[in-house]
Amino acid sequence: EAGVTQSPTHLIKTRGQQATLRCSPISGHTSVYWYQQALGLGLQFLLWYDEGEERNRGNFPPRFSGRQFPNYSSELNVNALELEDSALYLCASMRIGATYEQYFGPGTRLTVT
Amino acid sequence: QKEVEQNSGPLSVPEGAIASLNCTYSDRGSQSFFWYRQYSGKSPELIMSIYSNGDKEDGRFTAQLNKASQYVSLLIRDSQPSDSATYLCAVNQNRGGYNKLIFGAGTRLAVHP
Repeated sequence: EAGVTQSPTHLIKTRGQQATLRCSPISGHTSVYWYQQALGLGLQFLLWYDEGEERNRGNFPPRFSGRQFPNYSSELNVNALELEDSALYLCASMRIGATYEQYFGPGTRLTVT
Repeated sequence: QKEVEQNSGPLSVPEGAIASLNCTYSDRGSQSFFWYRQYSGKSPELIMSIYSNGDKEDGRFTAQLNKASQYVSLLIRDSQPSDSATYLCAVNQNRGGYNKLIFGAGTRLAVHP
């Protein structure tokens, strides 16, 4: 069974630009979560998508947004990039049910210069 | 009080010893608990899930849960240098249909030969 995939692996942008990150969940998983992990810091919850809808978002400004497609893949968009947006962005997928286990993709390293 | 607390470490243990990692959480309603291992620069990998009070063993790993004390731990027997990583404790929070994992900041484990 293929795991969660993310693209690109690395992304370098300049301040003020927009970044688009992509995630494909494990087959059969309908939920996609996005997290930010800045260097030396913990995982911060960004967004949760399930069945094509945004279900919950963390304490991040509106310039962090995304969507989930009919095939359950997801896209995270970060507008008006700031230097402090530099981080590892992780996507995790989950099958809604009793276990709530989330499986992570390899991440996208975003660097804002 | 943080929602999920862990000692940051580093926890240094000799090869072959038992490593004990601890985690406390604040939400009494939490029902699902997870341990993730994260190597430097990599994404978190789910290594244990536990849902009921008591112990759960999987190979060299044992997770322990005490809901009354709001405490979850991870024991690693016969520690190996390859176990050196940051271990993240995560607690599922389900409120009004909104479901997300709350992560601790992680405990860095160093296993020395």
